[in-house]
Amino acid sequence: SQQGEEDPQALSIQEGENATMNCSYKTSINNLQWYRQNSGRGLVHLILIRSNEREKHSGRLRVTLDTSKKSSSLLITASRAADTASYFCATGSGGGADGLTFGKGTHLIIQP
Amino acid sequence: NAGVTQTPKFQVLKTGQSMTLQCAQDMNHEYMSWYRQDPGMGLRLIHYSVGAGITDQGEVPNGYNVSRSTTEDFPLRLLSAAPSQTSVYFCASSGTSGTTSSYNEQFFGPGTRLTVL
Repeated sequence: SQQGEEDPQALSIQEGENATMNCSYKTSINNLQWYRQNSGRGLVHLILIRSNEREKHSGRLRVTLDTSKKSSSLLITASRAADTASYFCATGSGGGADGLTFGKGTHLIIQP
Repeated sequence: NAGVTQTPKFQVLKTGQSMTLQCAQDMNHEYMSWYRQDPGMGLRLIHYSVGAGITDQGEVPNGYNVSRSTTEDFPLRLLSAAPSQTSVYFCASSGTSGTTSSYNEQFFGPGTRLTVL
């Protein structure tokens, strides 16, 4: 069963605007990761946040984690057409040896 | 570094046929895994390996076998293909941080698109 659920399923915004995607999960985790997938391609790792962290930044990306609410958000600032992709959250639990559990993703479209 | 490579890119099988999807990585990563992605879905874990000679089942292992004879290679075998196995298959690898607390980012291959008729 899928651990993470992204919201919204699809998001369309104008270039230059900020995009926010949310992820909720069910069981306790020790890290949460966000990945991007361009159409027909493999997944690319964006950012990892550990369970004892609350916020992390990487370039135009900002990720927050609220373990009490079992939720995370990914903010992409100043969006660009190249940001058009599907974004997935993935959770790692236990010792990490059981792989990642992915959500169904948010499909983001940046309108030029 | 080539990263994670997968072959073939595309494959069409008939029901009942068997085949092996190849995956190789040149990053000396301990951890390797196979996922499948179906339309509108995230990735679901099929099998994974934490090192040569060690494999374990993920969420959806039925109908698939794996082996890990070397650190570099992690082939996925479909024993008797079924239409329900039509999917895109991704192989991924990651290195451990040396602790048991979590694994690092996973590096994905480009995928194999499989159709079973």
